[in-house]
Amino acid sequence: AQKVTQAQTEISVVEKEDVTLDCVYETRDTTYYLFWYKQPPSGELVFLIRRNSFDEQNEISGRYSWNFQKSTSSFNFTITASQVVDSAVYFCALSEARRGAQKLVFGQGTRLTINP
Amino acid sequence: GAGVSQSPSNKVTEKGKDVELRCDPISGHTALYWYRQSLGQGLEFLIYFQGNSAPDKSGLPSDRFSAERTGGSVSTLTIQRTQQEDSAVYLCASSESGGQSGQPQHFGDGTRLSIL
Repeated sequence: AQKVTQAQTEISVVEKEDVTLDCVYETRDTTYYLFWYKQPPSGELVFLIRRNSFDEQNEISGRYSWNFQKSTSSFNFTITASQVVDSAVYFCALSEARRGAQKLVFGQGTRLTINP
Repeated sequence: GAGVSQSPSNKVTEKGKDVELRCDPISGHTALYWYRQSLGQGLEFLIYFQGNSAPDKSGLPSDRFSAERTGGSVSTLTIQRTQQEDSAVYLCASSESGGQSGQPQHFGDGTRLSIL
């Protein structure tokens, strides 16, 4: 069965600090996709990134970076020089690449608060 | 362009009543998903539609829940004889295609359902 674990329930840092959100996943499939979503106070889930299981290259997008390591089944997300607007709940999710529904299995989310 | 649109944004109803929630996906997206977000259960998959294929209903929690998608576009999620445990935010998502593609799902703002 698929499972995503985000062990950090809440994180609070001061603006401009770097912060890493952890994500560990379980799946029996060799082909799968990993995602990060942001849920700001407004409630809408905003897609941030998708990674497939064959691409372990780390990715950087502005202040955001992602570290995918198959050896430890982790897909961690780092925000550099955090800003107040980064405050949100962040979800890591997993889907298997198979026929039929590409169901997303979500972690419990990490509530990130950036204090001015 | 327009994102996923859901209505109503909030719904309060009495226990035992039926409710209908509507989702209008992004134009051109063939795959449509319903999820439920509640405090106790996190984000859970409910049902998936892909084109004209039979829907994947494996996530529906009981036979009080049903959904349809007319003309490959708008979808309606119906909950009959509502119970207090049905209180949650119901999220709709769409993607360009489903199945093995790993296309990111784009979410609407959700319908917050409260059962009195």
